[in-house]
Amino acid sequence: KNQVEQSPQSLIILEGKNCTLQCNYTVSPFSNLRWYKQDTGRGPVSLTIMTFSENTKSNGRYTATLDADTKQSSLHITASQLSDSASYICVVSAPYSGGGADGLTFGKGTHLIIQP
Amino acid sequence: KAGVTQTPRYLIKTRGQQVTLSCSPISGHRSVSWYQQTPGQGLQFLFEYFSETQRNKGNFPGRFSGRQFSNSRSEMNVSTLELGDSALYLCASSLPQSREQYFGPGTRLTVT
Repeated sequence: KNQVEQSPQSLIILEGKNCTLQCNYTVSPFSNLRWYKQDTGRGPVSLTIMTFSENTKSNGRYTATLDADTKQSSLHITASQLSDSASYICVVSAPYSGGGADGLTFGKGTHLIIQP
Repeated sequence: KAGVTQTPRYLIKTRGQQVTLSCSPISGHRSVSWYQQTPGQGLQFLFEYFSETQRNKGNFPGRFSGRQFSNSRSEMNVSTLELGDSALYLCASSLPQSREQYFGPGTRLTVT
């Protein structure tokens, strides 16, 4: 069964500090992996998307890494800001031919709180 | 380009009632997916519609149903509401053959 496990479930850090969120998956075969940021009460917004051949991808202060051999990904946030407080969701896609939600497996997310 | 819109944003219903939620996808997006999100379970896939046809369905009871119109707008209906149906219901749209999902702001449903 395809699964996506995220850790930690929740994390509290001080403003300005760095943090790393983890995503381990069992989806196989694998097409791509996305990280979403979801503010409280809002819909998720895509941060990065990584394919099998990519190891690192950055989006401002967000850097995602992918190790397809060990089926692990991480999202590193540098110099955290209060606006980074949100849930971060890892989503892994299998290479099915359909679009939309076909072949997607969602993690339960990491709830990140940035304290001033 | 306008994003995915969902109406209403907040809803309070009583156990046993039914509810209809609406989703308007991004212009040009023909795939619409619905998700239920609760604190303990994360995002749970309900169903997906493409060109007015249900393409995929998650593991939810028959009380949850949906439909899509010719303009790609979609509705989902929940009948005989239960307390456990209280959740954030998210709609996402995507282009054909793309799994890049664009989410709406959600509808917060509270069942009392």
